[in-house]
Amino acid sequence: QKEVEQNSGPLSVPEGAIASLNCTYSDRGSQSFFWYRQYSGKSPELIMFIYSNGDKEDGRFTAQLNKASQYVSLLIRDSQPSDSATYLCAVDDQGGKLIFGQGTELSVKP
Amino acid sequence: DTAVSQTPKYLVTQMGNDKSIKCEQNLGHDTMYWYKQDSKKFLKIMFSYNNKELIINETVPNRFSPKSPDKAHLNLHINSLELGDSAVYFCASSHRSLGTEQFFGPGTRLTVL
Repeated sequence: QKEVEQNSGPLSVPEGAIASLNCTYSDRGSQSFFWYRQYSGKSPELIMFIYSNGDKEDGRFTAQLNKASQYVSLLIRDSQPSDSATYLCAVDDQGGKLIFGQGTELSVKP
Repeated sequence: DTAVSQTPKYLVTQMGNDKSIKCEQNLGHDTMYWYKQDSKKFLKIMFSYNNKELIINETVPNRFSPKSPDKAHLNLHINSLELGDSAVYFCASSHRSLGTEQFFGPGTRLTVL
């Protein structure tokens, strides 16, 4: 059974700090990795995807992938209260089948 | 101009009833999905259709039956509803050949009493 693991949190950071969200996956053959953000009562929305080892930056968000360690992370710089949400890590199993982690709840305190 | 829409948004029903949820996307995508999100926020894929063909069929009770009349629509019919079916059901769509970025609908919160 392929698995994706995240710390459920809640992770609490002060406004302006860096929030670090982590995810590990069990299938060494996985190629595509996604971070979704889900506000309470809303649907998941894609914020980052990464396919290659290393870092990928988009504004205040940086995704980091280490396939040797089967580890993917999301850094949020200059965290804002509006970043408070649940962050879902997802791994593409095959052909569009996404396997999600249980999500990490992030709370950014003003 | 909603990209992925679902109806109804809320569904409250008694155990044993049969209900349907409808999904439509206007993104021109060729692949649609049904996900179930439980009370612990765990999101799990149930089914996927590509151009009206079933391509993903996870271990789901056969009381759940998806149907895709065309590539812009995907419905989910649930027979003999049980308490454990209470969850939020999300529809999603993507363009399969362009990668797996999936766009989610607003969700249908199903409560079985």
